[in-house]
Amino acid sequence: QVQLKESGPGLVQPSETLSLTCTVSGFSLTRYGVNWVRQPPGKGLEWMGTIWNDGNTDYNSALKSRLSISRDTSKSQVFLKMNSLQTEDTAIYLCAREDYDGTYYYPFAYWGQGTLVTVSS
Amino acid sequence: DIRMTQSPASLSASLGETVNIECLASEDIYSDLAWYQQKPGKSPQLLIYNANSLQNGVPSRFSGSGSGTQYSLKINSLQSEDVATYFCQQYNNYPPTFGGGTKLELK
Repeated sequence: QVQLKESGPGLVQPSETLSLTCTVSGFSLTRYGVNWVRQPPGKGLEWMGTIWNDGNTDYNSALKSRLSISRDTSKSQVFLKMNSLQTEDTAIYLCAREDYDGTYYYPFAYWGQGTLVTVSS
Repeated sequence: DIRMTQSPASLSASLGETVNIECLASEDIYSDLAWYQQKPGKSPQLLIYNANSLQNGVPSRFSGSGSGTQYSLKINSLQSEDVATYFCQQYNNYPPTFGGGTKLELK
């Protein structure tokens, strides 16, 4: 069955770099993409970026200068790196499968459980 | 980017009541609209896609409607397990964007 699981440090110092991993199972990263979405505590959902099944990436324009998404298909892992973290980057970070089929976009039917990242000294 | 405006931001209703949540897109999204339910400490769960199609396993008391820029989620006969935050999302135009959420509580 399809599963996604985020992992990474729970606490990051201001100005430092966040590194998260999304480990997937039940599907291939060469067939499906993966999105990163974040949610500040008690607030709404913000799409951060996508790594497509062909390895290309797209980023939220507000985060583009700080964000990088990559993958290791052999390990079924997708990586998020975001630098210059500030307190407002404190959020739950979630990965979700991208089901774009080359013609149509679809909603996110499969999500990880999310991982809370707190930016604080 | 398409802006999604959701209302109300919070809602209090009684068991058995019917609840409506609205979502307004800043431009026509051609029914490429999803609704998610998120319970505390959990990830969002897809309820409805294509504005009115029920995801597998979702109770039939949930329904969606709308077209163009205006969409709504209806919950008939509210149950205690429906207490959650609900989000709309458009996926017609990249990047995908979400509404601000509606927190549903029991009265």
